[in-house]
Amino acid sequence: GDSVTQMEGPVTLSEEAFLTINCTYTATGYPSLFWYVQYPGEGLQLLLKATKADDKGSNKGFEATYRKETTSFHLEKGSVQVSDSAVYFCALGDTGFQKLVFGTGTRLLVSP
Amino acid sequence: KAGVTQTPRYLIKTRGQQVTLSCSPISGHRSVSWYQQTPGQGLQFLFEYFSETQRNKGNFPGRFSGRQFSNSRSEMNVSTLELGDSALYLCASSPRTDAYEQYFGPGTRLTVT
Repeated sequence: GDSVTQMEGPVTLSEEAFLTINCTYTATGYPSLFWYVQYPGEGLQLLLKATKADDKGSNKGFEATYRKETTSFHLEKGSVQVSDSAVYFCALGDTGFQKLVFGTGTRLLVSP
Repeated sequence: KAGVTQTPRYLIKTRGQQVTLSCSPISGHRSVSWYQQTPGQGLQFLFEYFSETQRNKGNFPGRFSGRQFSNSRSEMNVSTLELGDSALYLCASSPRTDAYEQYFGPGTRLTVT
C-alpha cells in the first residue's frame, strides 16, 4: 500500500536557522501531498498542500515542492522561530481510498 | 467559518465500558474521517463517512464503529474498552468528495484505566 517516510526527529535548531524536514513517499499513481503541523495538546493543522508534480505549496514561510522524479515533498523554511516548535507530519491522499496516509511525524525544537 | 468541533475533549473510562465520541464538521463538508493517534502507532485511520455512508474502514476490530447523520455530524463508538484504546481520537472533515485536504478538530483524549 501507499506509505510515507519522514526523517527521524527531533530536529533541534536555533532561531533564524534554515529548516529542512525530509519526506518521501511510495504510491501508485500521483497522490495529493500535504504537510500538517501539530502543536502540543492540539489537533493537526493543514500547513500546505500540492496536488500535482512540480506544484509548490507554501504558507507562513514554509514551502514544499512535489517532486515526482524523486517521490519527495521536503518541507523548508528559511528562518525558523521559537513559535514553530511543533510536530510536523507529511501525508498523502491514498488514491481511491478516501483517506490520508501519514508519516511518523518529526518533532522540531527551536531555541532562542 | 467555525472549525471542526469534537466533544468531549477529555474522557476517562474503565476497561469493559463503552464510549461515544462526537464530531461536528465544518459547515458544508460532507466527508468526515476518524483517526487514532498513539505514541507507539502514530496516526491510524479508523473510518470515513460521506453522506451517511461509510466508504472506507481501517484495520481495527469490530469494537470500533461509527456513523454519520444527515447533517454530517458523526459519532464513533468503542465498546468493551481495553487499556490499549487509550489514545487521542481525531476527527477531520473535508470539502472534497475524495476526502483529501482534511481539516482536523482538537481531538478527544480517551484514557482507559
